Amino acid sequence: GQQVMQIPQYQHVQEGEDFTTYCNSSTTLSNIQWYKQRPGGHPVFLIQLVKSGEVKKQKRLTFQFGEAKKNSSLHITATQTTDVGTYFCAGPKNGGTSYGKLTFGQGTILTVHP
Amino acid sequence: DTAVSQTPKYLVTQMGNDKSIKCEQNLGHDTMYWYKQDSKKFLKIMFSYNNKELIINETVPNRFSPKSPDKAHLNLHINSLELGDSAVYFCASSQDGTGGIDTQYFGPGTRLTVL
Repeated sequence: GQQVMQIPQYQHVQEGEDFTTYCNSSTTLSNIQWYKQRPGGHPVFLIQLVKSGEVKKQKRLTFQFGEAKKNSSLHITATQTTDVGTYFCAGPKNGGTSYGKLTFGQGTILTVHP
Repeated sequence: DTAVSQTPKYLVTQMGNDKSIKCEQNLGHDTMYWYKQDSKKFLKIMFSYNNKELIINETVPNRFSPKSPDKAHLNLHINSLELGDSAVYFCASSQDGTGGIDTQYFGPGTRLTVL
């Protein structure tokens, strides 16, 4: 079945360093979504990428969708302590034909040392 | 107002008991979900309902029984609780759930501890 793999599982950075998490799917995705979960909180939607090669920015966060629509990345420039949390990518099951079902990556847990 | 709410926030119970978690969304969404998040943060979908109809049932033991009295509510009842059921359970909703395009809005979660 479809798998969405996310690496690394953990990332520890010093405040001010950059951070990147990568997401790879075994199948082509119609779209990919990114969520952030703060410690003790719930996943919150960040962004959705739909087009091949798409790049979107949200302040210090840059999201990319691969040309083949099978991989994606989230890059944070100059991390801050408010960036701590778990970042998930999620793609529709079976490439987009399964009703409402998202397959989540394992998540990358980011810790930022001040 | 909270968009997706769950009760209770914490649930501590003994093995073998039966318990329920309630979820309500006031976003007017058609689709609701239950996810289980284990201690390693892995999020796994359990069920999905669209307009009160079961759409997805992800090989969840039949001790878990979702109920959707209307499209704004999706409750989860768990029979004969086991130690392995300890996890955080998230309810979520999305506009219509077609093809996984829709953003999912998560509730605050219910931390279930089975002793």
